[in-house]
Amino acid sequence: AQKVTQAQTEISVVEKEDVTLDCVYETRDTTYYLFWYKQPPSGELVFLIRRNSFDEQNEISGRYSWNFQKSTSSFNFTITASQVVDSAVYFCALRSSNTGKLIFGQGTTLQVKP
Amino acid sequence: ETGVTQTPRHLVMGMTNKKSLKCEQHLGHNAMYWYKQSAKKPLELMFVYSLEERVENNSVPSRFSPECPNSSHLFLHLHTLQPEDSALYLCASSQSPAGGRGETQYFGPGTRLLVL
Repeated sequence: AQKVTQAQTEISVVEKEDVTLDCVYETRDTTYYLFWYKQPPSGELVFLIRRNSFDEQNEISGRYSWNFQKSTSSFNFTITASQVVDSAVYFCALRSSNTGKLIFGQGTTLQVKP
Repeated sequence: ETGVTQTPRHLVMGMTNKKSLKCEQHLGHNAMYWYKQSAKKPLELMFVYSLEERVENNSVPSRFSPECPNSSHLFLHLHTLQPEDSALYLCASSQSPAGGRGETQYFGPGTRLLVL
């Protein structure tokens, strides 16, 4: 079975704090793809990153960074020096190379207070 | 220009009404999707279209009827809905036909539907 777990339902931080959003996945596929999306109050899911299962390199994009560890089946997302505009719901998702289905976690609501 | 657009953004309808949701993608993609997002539930995949053919229907009630007249447009026709169908309906598109590869899905802003 394929599953994505985002154990943190809600996180609240003060602006400029660093925050890490956890994502743990389950799959039996050897090839799969992991994603993070941001959903601001407007509703649109904004694509942030895609990572292939065979590429465990961490990635940094501005204040965003992602830590992919196959050994622990985790794909965590860190925002450095958070800003109020980062307030949103963040979704981690898994796409199987076999089924092509995109499986979403429950999402983590991040509130960044000024 | 936004890659995936959806209209209307908000919709209130009675249980006996018939309405349609529209999605248009401007990305040259070949696959389109409908998702349902209810409060406190993960996103649920409803339908997948690949090159205008329906390739997946995830046990969605027949009161939801999709239509894909071409690779750029996707509709969701609604009739005799129930209050529990109230949700955010999201459309997405991806480059290749669904399945087998990790193409990124790009989402529209959604239609927030309220069924009274």
